[in-house]
Amino acid sequence: GQQVMQIPQYQHVQEGEDFTTYCNSSTTLSNIQWYKQRPGGHPVFLIQLVKSGEVKKQKRLTFQFGEAKKNSSLHITATQTTDVGTYFCAGKAGNNRKLIWGLGTSLAVNP
Amino acid sequence: DAGVIQSPRHEVTEMGQEVTLRCKPISGHNSLFWYRQTMMRGLELLIYFNNNVPIDDSGMPEDRFSAKMPNASFSTLKIQPSEPRDSAVYFCASSFVAVYEQYFGPGTRLTVT
Repeated sequence: GQQVMQIPQYQHVQEGEDFTTYCNSSTTLSNIQWYKQRPGGHPVFLIQLVKSGEVKKQKRLTFQFGEAKKNSSLHITATQTTDVGTYFCAGKAGNNRKLIWGLGTSLAVNP
Repeated sequence: DAGVIQSPRHEVTEMGQEVTLRCKPISGHNSLFWYRQTMMRGLELLIYFNNNVPIDDSGMPEDRFSAKMPNASFSTLKIQPSEPRDSAVYFCASSFVAVYEQYFGPGTRLTVT
């Protein structure tokens, strides 16, 4: 079936270092969404990408959608302790009416 | 807007008991989702409704689980009988359209002893 893989599963960084998580789909996606879940919290929508090669920025966060629309990435520049949490990608493929979720990347930031 | 409302926030019950989780989606949203999250299995979609109709329940683990959406502003997820392996955080989410951004409730932390 359709799958969305996220790597890495965990990442520890020193505050100020950059961080990137990658999302890869087995099929072409029509859109991809990114969510952040703080420890003890619930997933919160960050952004949606729709166009091939699309790049969007939110302050220190940069989101990319691959040219083939089968992969995506989230890059955080100069991490801060407030970036701690699990980042999920979720994509829609073909005629599937539901999102397919990745397992998430958990980010820990050492102050 | 109050966001997605879930109750209870915490539930501790004994094995074999019936558990009912409740959700009120954001007004005007047509799609509602029930998720389960554990350390071992991550975030799993259990079932989702569109316009109060169950569309995909392929994630419901077994017959002990059932979900209803009697109207656009209320849904329940019932586990009967509950088992220790059902212990997890259960999230409800809603969206305007099934593949638009989803808004999650605060979750119900269920512990079955």
